[in-house]
Amino acid sequence: GESVGLHLPTLSVQEGDNSIINCAYSNSASDYFIWYKQESGKGPQFIIDIRSNMDKRQGQRVTVLLNKTVKHLSLQIAATQPGDSAVYFCAENIIGAQKLVFGQGTRLTINP
Amino acid sequence: GAGVSQSPRYKVAKRGQDVALRCDPISGHVSLFWYQQALGQGPEFLTYFQNEAQLDKSGLPSDRFFAERPEGSVSTLKIQRTQQEDSAVYLCASSSTRGNYGYTFGSGTRLTVV
Repeated sequence: GESVGLHLPTLSVQEGDNSIINCAYSNSASDYFIWYKQESGKGPQFIIDIRSNMDKRQGQRVTVLLNKTVKHLSLQIAATQPGDSAVYFCAENIIGAQKLVFGQGTRLTINP
Repeated sequence: GAGVSQSPRYKVAKRGQDVALRCDPISGHVSLFWYQQALGQGPEFLTYFQNEAQLDKSGLPSDRFFAERPEGSVSTLKIQRTQQEDSAVYLCASSSTRGNYGYTFGSGTRLTVV
């Protein structure tokens, strides 16, 4: 993606621990951000989203934090489970554009 | 069906061959998107339809790529004279809204050009 990137390409955590996946974006015109989970051989699956007028949103075991000052997005997964092992992508919607811009992705591995 | 269906799941094409990839969106979904995902990369936008109208095709990499959605439901992505760099997973997504909200992705078609 042109303007969305991730700090870490791989992340390994112990089952039951919390994990944090980070994402940097550069387009200040983005108004909506989404985290996707992609398992091998499948399409991206929606996890959680956040609009630019918010700085935090919580779902079931997941929290997304948005820091517009430093253009940073993070996904926190609580009490990780083996089924959380996947590649995670952040994506941004740029105002006026009918497309999402995706980052490269972070591979999360949950160790038993 | 309940989800976005893409066919074929896998396609091997000889260089120079034409291919057609099909997407069946969720019934009634207005918006349909095609993305290309190279190995180890995030999906990259190709084109967007709102009903039968192709409103954005800015992501199509060359004039060898063509997409259509003639009746506002099923869509086909066609690649003419395939080249090795076309090898990727082609993802289709649909949404009930006009815009980038509430996407549902299909499982994709993995195209390998040999």
